[in-house]
Amino acid sequence: AQSVTQPDIHITVSEGASLELRCNYSYGATPYLFWYVQSPGQGLQLLLKYFSGDTLVQGIKGFEAEFKRSQSSFNLRKPSVHWSDAAEYFCAVGGGRRGSTLGRLYFGRGTQLTVWP
Amino acid sequence: DGGITQSPKYLFRKEGQNVTLSCEQNLNHDAMYWYRQDPGQGLRLIYYSQIVNDFQKGDIAEGYSVSREKKESFPLTVTSAQKNPTAFYLCASSIDGTVRSTQYFGPGTRLTVL
Repeated sequence: AQSVTQPDIHITVSEGASLELRCNYSYGATPYLFWYVQSPGQGLQLLLKYFSGDTLVQGIKGFEAEFKRSQSSFNLRKPSVHWSDAAEYFCAVGGGRRGSTLGRLYFGRGTQLTVWP
Repeated sequence: DGGITQSPKYLFRKEGQNVTLSCEQNLNHDAMYWYRQDPGQGLRLIYYSQIVNDFQKGDIAEGYSVSREKKESFPLTVTSAQKNPTAFYLCASSIDGTVRSTQYFGPGTRLTVL
């Protein structure tokens, strides 16, 4: 069965520091991977996604993620964090039933990011 | 503006009452989804629908019901059978419901059982 693990529940970084949020997935076939961000009391916004091709994916707001098949990982990175990046971040893997076109997402439990000024 | 609207933003319910959460989209998407979010548990799938008049149970469908009579609407009813309904509920849609299609989320409804 598909699953996603985000090992870090809460991360605190200083503004201007680099950031890496970890994500490990379990999926039998080629994974479709997503990172979403959620501000308090709001819905989720897509940051980036990976389907195939170049393993380094660029997203919005200066984020990037690298797919590493050998490590079953899809870590999110940002070179310099801004105070407005404080939010909760969710990694997700797309999956579905064999023989069906209907897909769904499996989400990790999220990583809460706090940014110190 | 195209998007997903959820209403109401906050909802209070007495124990034993059914309540219906609204989700409407004007993105012309075929697929729609309902998730429940609890602190520290991420998003869990309740129901999803790829086309009108068809829907599938997700991981935590017990105590919930849905209908999909129109393409743009996917209301969720939280029944009295749901033992712990207090949570944040998120609706999403995608263009065709396949694994590759990006899901777009509404702003959510916070349900509190008094």
